[in-house]
Amino acid sequence: DIQMTQSPSTLSASVGDRVTITCRASQSISSWLAWYQQKPGKAPQLLIYQASILESGVPSRFSGTGSGTEFTLTISSLQPDDFATYYCQQYNTYSYTFGQGTKLEIK
Amino acid sequence: EVQLVQSGAEVKKPGESLRISCKGSGYSFTSYRVVWVRQMPGKALEWMGRIDPSDSYIDYSPSFQGHVTISADKSISTAYLQWSTLKASDTGIYFCARQHAYQGGLGDYWGQGTLVTVSS
Repeated sequence: DIQMTQSPSTLSASVGDRVTITCRASQSISSWLAWYQQKPGKAPQLLIYQASILESGVPSRFSGTGSGTEFTLTISSLQPDDFATYYCQQYNTYSYTFGQGTKLEIK
Repeated sequence: EVQLVQSGAEVKKPGESLRISCKGSGYSFTSYRVVWVRQMPGKALEWMGRIDPSDSYIDYSPSFQGHVTISADKSISTAYLQWSTLKASDTGIYFCARQHAYQGGLGDYWGQGTLVTVSS
C-alpha cells in the first residue's frame, strides 16, 4: 500500500491566519490526491481533488498544490468554520489510502 | 438533492452478525458506485471497498477482503455492509459515500455514518 503522511498532526492558528498542511506519499501518485475536511461527529467533506481542483461549492480560500509525492493544502484566511480535521487521500493506486489527519485548532 | 441515509447505531456482541445499510436518493443510484469507509474511534479514515450497483461488481481493499461483504439492491437504491462474525476490533463508525463521477475512489456525497459497537 502507498503510505500517506501528513504534517503537522496538530496545528494551532487564529482566525485570519494563512495555514498550510503537507501530505507526502511513499511513492509517486502523480496528481491523484484529494483533501477532505471532517468536523466532529460528521462525515468528511470533499474539498479538493486531482491535487488542485476545488470541488463545487468549496470556498476559494482553500487551495491545493503538488504532484508526485509532495502536496499542500492552504487556507488563505482562516474562518471560524474551518477549525476541523483535514485528511488527504491518494487515489492513484488501489486501495486509496488516507493520511492520518491534521487537526486544526483555535489558538 | 443528493442524499445517502444510513441505518442507525448498532450494539452487538462478538461473534454476532450484522448488516448496515445506505440508501441513496436524489440521483440515479445505478450510475454511481458506492464506497464504504471505516473510522475507528479517534482514528483516521480507511477505505474499505466499493460496489457498482448496476452490476454488483465489487472492489475490496486487501485489508478488508474476507472480513466484510459489500452488496447492493438496486431496486431499492440501497447498499449494504455486512459482517458474519463480529469482533471487538470492528468497533467504529462506518460511512458510505457516492463515488465521484470522474475521480475513482473519492466520495463526493456522504452518509451520516453508522456507529457499530462490538462489546461483550
